[in-house]
Amino acid sequence: DAGVTQSPTHLIKTRGQQVTLRCSPKSGHDTVSWYQQALGQGPQFIFQYYEEEERQRGNFPDRFSGHQFPNYSSELNVNALLLGDSALYLCASSYGRGGAFFGQGTRLTVV
Amino acid sequence: GNSVTQMEGPVTLSEEAFLTINCTYTATGYPSLFWYVQYPGEGLQLLLKATKADDKGSNKGFEATYRKETTSFHLEKGSVQVSDSAVYFCALGISGGSNYKLTFGKGTLLTVNP
Repeated sequence: DAGVTQSPTHLIKTRGQQVTLRCSPKSGHDTVSWYQQALGQGPQFIFQYYEEEERQRGNFPDRFSGHQFPNYSSELNVNALLLGDSALYLCASSYGRGGAFFGQGTRLTVV
Repeated sequence: GNSVTQMEGPVTLSEEAFLTINCTYTATGYPSLFWYVQYPGEGLQLLLKATKADDKGSNKGFEATYRKETTSFHLEKGSVQVSDSAVYFCALGISGGSNYKLTFGKGTLLTVNP
């Protein structure tokens, strides 16, 4: 079992650009959540996808959007990148009320 | 709103010392509580969880008890090892349907010296 896999592992983008991050959930998991972790901080919830729909959303602007595919994998899109979007983006998958399993994350740097 | 407060780090201990990392929470409803661990350069790993008051979660020698009366979920280990050096996050989960939205504390860096 490969667990939760995220791609790419590192990414450098220019302010104003758009970025897409990808996540494949752990086998058997149907729910994907995305978190942003700034340096030295705890992860902040962005949104959660279940049955290809956004089910819950944290306090993030509409520049942050996502998608879930029929195979449960997911994408996080961020438009009009700001320097403050630089962070580690974590994907977590879960099934029912079991604990969330996290991927290794994508380190996004906006310059 | 929901929030988690955990003790400020860093915490530095000698091998075989006793560990306590304090965690308190504020939540509407009846949250589940979690401890996650993050090793350098890695994602978060679920360490233990408790889903209702007075439950005790345990794993790899770590323990935490869900105390509703004090809104706390302190992490303890009787004898730490160098390999326990990592950042520890306390989190609460509110179910939105069948799955949790997690709210994390800021994390506590633990360093264990030989």
